[in-house]
Amino acid sequence: DAGVIQSPRHEVTEMGQEVTLRCKPISGHDYLFWYRQTMMRGLELLIYFNNNVPIDDSGMPEDRFSAKMPNASFSTLKIQPSEPRDSAVYFCASSNEGDGSNQPQHFGDGTRLSIL
Amino acid sequence: QKEVEQDPGPLSVPEGAIVSLNCTYSNSAFQYFMWYRQYSRKGPELLMYTYSSGNKEDGRFTAQVDKSSKYISLFIRDSQPSDSATYLCAMRSYNTDKLIFGTGTRLQVFP
Repeated sequence: DAGVIQSPRHEVTEMGQEVTLRCKPISGHDYLFWYRQTMMRGLELLIYFNNNVPIDDSGMPEDRFSAKMPNASFSTLKIQPSEPRDSAVYFCASSNEGDGSNQPQHFGDGTRLSIL
Repeated sequence: QKEVEQDPGPLSVPEGAIVSLNCTYSNSAFQYFMWYRQYSRKGPELLMYTYSSGNKEDGRFTAQVDKSSKYISLFIRDSQPSDSATYLCAMRSYNTDKLIFGTGTRLQVFP
């Protein structure tokens, strides 16, 4: 089975440009999570969806960040305008709604974003 | 103060050593505890999962949770060079799907 697929793997762009990160969750998973990982702050949850509906976006740093999940097999995280401090590795993860006690999140390999 | 604290390391041990990785936390509502392993330039992968207090063993790996001390541990026996990775603890309370991660401990096992 294919795992969580993220694209692009690497993105280098200039400050002020719009950046769009993409994620395809594992088929049949009904939760989707977006994380950001930096050396200083570790892995931080930005937003997560259940059945395509945003449940908690309290981790989204500011209005420049937005996320959508138009269907069960696709999600985007957009940064507009981008700033150098947005440079990080962005991960998408998905999971199944189980019995509440066993919902391992499966991670993609991330998008390494550099804003110059 | 962060909700979850983890020593970043790096921790360097010889092959065959027993490794102890630890996290402390402040939120007494956490009920589910996980350990993830992350290789360089890869996403985290789930290693161990524990509910509430107690021990869980899986091959060379043992996870321990001490809720009274708000302390969790991962032990790796007979460590191998292939265990070299960053290990992240993660936890959540019963009424949320939101995982809180430690910053990770980098482990290097040398031959």
